[in-house]
Amino acid sequence: DAKTTQPNSMESNEEEPVHLPCNHSTISGTDYIHWYRQLPSQGPEYVIHGLTSNVNNRMASLAIAEDRKSSTLILHRATLRDAAVYYCILRDGGSQGNLIFGKGTKLSVKP
Amino acid sequence: DTEVTQTPKHLVMGMTNKKSLKCEQHMGHRAMYWYKQKAKKPPELMFVYSYEKLSINESVPSRFSPECPNSSLLNLHLHALQPEDSALYLCASSQGRHARDTQYFGPGTRLTVL
Repeated sequence: DAKTTQPNSMESNEEEPVHLPCNHSTISGTDYIHWYRQLPSQGPEYVIHGLTSNVNNRMASLAIAEDRKSSTLILHRATLRDAAVYYCILRDGGSQGNLIFGKGTKLSVKP
Repeated sequence: DTEVTQTPKHLVMGMTNKKSLKCEQHMGHRAMYWYKQKAKKPPELMFVYSYEKLSINESVPSRFSPECPNSSLLNLHLHALQPEDSALYLCASSQGRHARDTQYFGPGTRLTVL
């Protein structure tokens, strides 16, 4: 599975937008970009995924670079409840791509 | 209902004990997973079941024995564990095994081996 690189940690202020970057320079054409997050003392939770086009859902937006070598998860208005570890994961659509978690980005939200 | 339930929430066991972790989903999902998560580390895939058949065993020691009695249930049988096996054990399920399929995770069982 292709690897991703994320900052270890980021800080945000409550009610401000947050942009979480992910680099995946070795992404293949069939790799889907997935984002999961894990709140303290909980199991991981799906956030969003995309292949080539930008995606929006009720939780977040996913902006994918034109060359697909990087992507950004956008939380439009951070809340204290968004403090979590955010994982950017590539899953191979050409095979039964498993979820292989990297270290993720620990997001802290200040009131 | 997008819930995956796991029991027990906490488990303390000795190295000679036999215990089982249980996982249940009622979403009609045909793929189920076990992950292990050590403190401050990301989850690591242990086993994958697809249509009630074991399809992946990520080189997990035989003291961990998975079982899928039916499409809604997944068990993890534990025997002769070591203290280093203490971790959060997460169960997940998905509709299928395509890369588009979302995995839904349970809250985990926190295991302590004495």
